[in-house]
Amino acid sequence: DAGVIQSPRHEVTEMGQEVTLRCKPISGHDSLFWYRQTMMRGLELLIYFNNNVPIDDSGMPEDRFSAKMPNASFSTLKIQPSEPRDSAVYFCASSLRQGASGYTFGSGTRLTVV
Amino acid sequence: AQSVAQPEDQVNVAEGNPLTVKCTYSVSGNPYLFWYVQYPNRGLQFLLKYITGDNLVKGSYGFEAEFNKSQTSFHLKKPSALVSDSALYFCAVREVGFQKLVFGTGTRLLVSP
Repeated sequence: DAGVIQSPRHEVTEMGQEVTLRCKPISGHDSLFWYRQTMMRGLELLIYFNNNVPIDDSGMPEDRFSAKMPNASFSTLKIQPSEPRDSAVYFCASSLRQGASGYTFGSGTRLTVV
Repeated sequence: AQSVAQPEDQVNVAEGNPLTVKCTYSVSGNPYLFWYVQYPNRGLQFLLKYITGDNLVKGSYGFEAEFNKSQTSFHLKKPSALVSDSALYFCAVREVGFQKLVFGTGTRLLVSP
């Protein structure tokens, strides 16, 4: 298995532009998580899905952020409009819902908003 | 609510010496406990986990961790550190019956030659 695949690896965009981050979870995993990592806040859980359904989006910072999971093999995190304070590394992770499994993380997308 | 504390921002150790990275946790029920490692510009990689049973858990790259229920701790250890162990280490807890994995703030391990 290729693991959790995120794209792009790096994204530089201007303030006000729309940004879309993409994630392909591990085949067979039924849960997907979006995290944000910054120096100031560490790792923050933004939202997670079970069987493509959003379960908890309480970590989404504001309405500018939205996430979708149209099928079991694809998820997006969108920021519209982007702001400089959104600059961070965004990680996607997947896992099996049942049992005591941990998460498998992707390599992340480093977002810079200028 | 679940929480994890990693009291040290950074741990410095000389190569060949034993290392310990500390972690304490708080959950209402029983915990599943995890350690992850992050190398520069990479995602988090799973090192080891505690589910139940033996309190000493062995993981990847010679790391181990000891679960101590009375002290609510899950410290990461290695008998002999390598320079290549230098990285950011995260402790995480997931309460049994719940799905969220809550991470600590991370501890940077620096192993000097």
